[in-house]
Amino acid sequence: GQQLNQSPQSMFIQEGEDVSMNCTSSSIFNTWLWYKQEPGEGPVLLIALYKAGELTSNGRLTAQFGITRKDSFLNISASIPSDVGIYFCAGTRMYGGATNKLIFGTGTLLAVQP
Amino acid sequence: EAGVTQSPTHLIKTRGQQATLRCSPISGHTSVYWYQQALGLGLQFLLWYDEGEERNRGNFPPRFSGRQFPNYSSELNVNALELEDSALYLCASSLPHGPGTDTQYFGPGTRLTVL
Repeated sequence: GQQLNQSPQSMFIQEGEDVSMNCTSSSIFNTWLWYKQEPGEGPVLLIALYKAGELTSNGRLTAQFGITRKDSFLNISASIPSDVGIYFCAGTRMYGGATNKLIFGTGTLLAVQP
Repeated sequence: EAGVTQSPTHLIKTRGQQATLRCSPISGHTSVYWYQQALGLGLQFLLWYDEGEERNRGNFPPRFSGRQFPNYSSELNVNALELEDSALYLCASSLPHGPGTDTQYFGPGTRLTVL
């Protein structure tokens, strides 16, 4: 199935460090979402972006909807051990009719060492 | 407010059997989506139901089917189970059409194991 290009694949960092991950696509998206998934659980929505150029924060998390509508990034500042998990970007594409089908990135595995 | 709920949590079947997975959306949400997440892989879109009708379908064989009930809950049926159907099946829901309806909220998933 179709997936977005997400990087990096994995990150192993020290507690307190900042983290940055991004998603790119060759197609235009009209919504970008960022989710976090912990083992054996469903993805939890972190941030939703609806407009090109939009910059949104949620606590230590900041995400932006790229101006070209083909990319998005997520930053986590001052990481803590509970930030561990897999982070997925997801987007919905611009179609004539509503498809509401989310296309997911390949995920970024984040490990934080205390 | 209760989130998306799914049942059962775990399901073990043998090859050739049928599996039925259930999902209840967030109150007020009319759209329900099903995704398959195989171990080590990303989420693959399966089905989208809205107002009781199937609106879109992913690239899966016809033995994956489902339905949405008048109360907006949904069922996913997988017939003639194969070993590669073993995965975490995730259900998500969203608001009716309008601004922000692309935002989907996920349930905890059903872990299906096919032996």
